[in-house]
Amino acid sequence: NAGVTQTPKFRILKIGQSMTLQCTQDMNHNYMYWYRQDPGMGLKLIYYSVGAGITDKGEVPNGYNVSRSTTEDFPLRLELAAPSQTSVYFCASRFDPRGGELFFGEGSRLTVL
Amino acid sequence: DAKTTQPNSMESNEEEPVHLPCNHSTISGTDYIHWYRQLPSQGPEYVIHGLTSNVNNRMASLAIAEDRKSSTLILHRATLRDAAVYYCILAMKTSYDKVIFGPGTSLSVIP
Repeated sequence: NAGVTQTPKFRILKIGQSMTLQCTQDMNHNYMYWYRQDPGMGLKLIYYSVGAGITDKGEVPNGYNVSRSTTEDFPLRLELAAPSQTSVYFCASRFDPRGGELFFGEGSRLTVL
Repeated sequence: DAKTTQPNSMESNEEEPVHLPCNHSTISGTDYIHWYRQLPSQGPEYVIHGLTSNVNNRMASLAIAEDRKSSTLILHRATLRDAAVYYCILAMKTSYDKVIFGPGTSLSVIP
């Protein structure tokens, strides 16, 4: 099993550009999450999903969109990139929300100039 | 709204036990206690979780107070590789689906 795979690992965007961060998991997990982590700070929840077709906002959803058309994939779209979105983005998944281990991808480092 | 309180930082000597505290005074009976850690330049990784009883695994032990208002993550013998940020998180019945991280405790291990 590959676990949680994120692409790209690094990306530089210009202000106003758009892009999609890809996240795929092969563990058949229903629950998937997107976090951002600014330098020296903790993780902030952007969006999460409890299953295909169901998504919900987290702590910091503004400027982002998500979709969940399949169990495996949970892409995060940035529209009109801003310097404030410079961050490391982590995707995660889990099977059981109560006692289940959260599995993280390796992260995607995004810089907006 | 992490609902937990942890010290910002702690230090430990290598090969000594480490006790990382977490206060969660508003915990309810169905809330699970989870611990994760994040090594430098890596994503977080699961450490351990529990509900009421103390728990042990290959990485650590989790000691839960009788009133469940606090818990302690125990690393039995700190190594340099254990230097990380440790997050204590509540999985609350009112919001099992969400996982909100607080600032955590930054653990330094001194050789």
